[in-house]
Amino acid sequence: KAGVTQTPRYLIKTRGQQVTLSCSPISGHRSVSWYQQTPGQGLQFLFEYFSETQRNKGNFPGRFSGRQFSNSRSEMNVSTLELGDSALYLCASSLGGTGIWNTEAFFGQGTRLTVV
Amino acid sequence: AQKVTQAQTEISVVEKEDVTLDCVYETRDTTYYLFWYKQPPSGELVFLIRRNSFDEQNEISGRYSWNFQKSTSSFNFTITASQVVDSAVYFCALSENSGGYQKVTFGIGTKLQVIP
Repeated sequence: KAGVTQTPRYLIKTRGQQVTLSCSPISGHRSVSWYQQTPGQGLQFLFEYFSETQRNKGNFPGRFSGRQFSNSRSEMNVSTLELGDSALYLCASSLGGTGIWNTEAFFGQGTRLTVV
Repeated sequence: AQKVTQAQTEISVVEKEDVTLDCVYETRDTTYYLFWYKQPPSGELVFLIRRNSFDEQNEISGRYSWNFQKSTSSFNFTITASQVVDSAVYFCALSENSGGYQKVTFGIGTKLQVIP
């Protein structure tokens, strides 16, 4: 079966702009979570969506937001981009019945965002 | 506060050698989950294992084995007879419920290079 698909794979944006990243989970998976990976901070949890509702969130400013559609596809939006937002953004999906960390999560290859 | 320490940032071994990746965690909760993920150069994270805090039984899966010791707050990962395909960055992660949310903390990762 198809894996987790993230689009686009690479993105270059200018400081102050906003960006939307997309994640299509594995068919049948209802939980989608997002992570930011940078050399300095490592991997950090952003938020998790389950059945169109944000169920868990990490410690990120309000500029980072997301949503999930009825088909479980998810989008992540970052407004007013800063240079420090340059990172690899990873998305993961799971069946997620009792929380993503209670079941195996499958990750996409990520979107490499560069803010200039 | 929770914290995950992977003291080894980079390890190089010659093929067929055994290698142990260390993970030490800190948490005040009695209920938590520990994970290991592998990140090959392609970028996606590959789930390796999940262990809950009440299960200290060590696990072996092929060439992989994990040693969970609550007394030392460690969850170490050993690869026996390493292969070039094992070259990747390995992440240890800790998850616990906090205020209704699942907080996840990743270690900084250990980059393993297996030399042919």
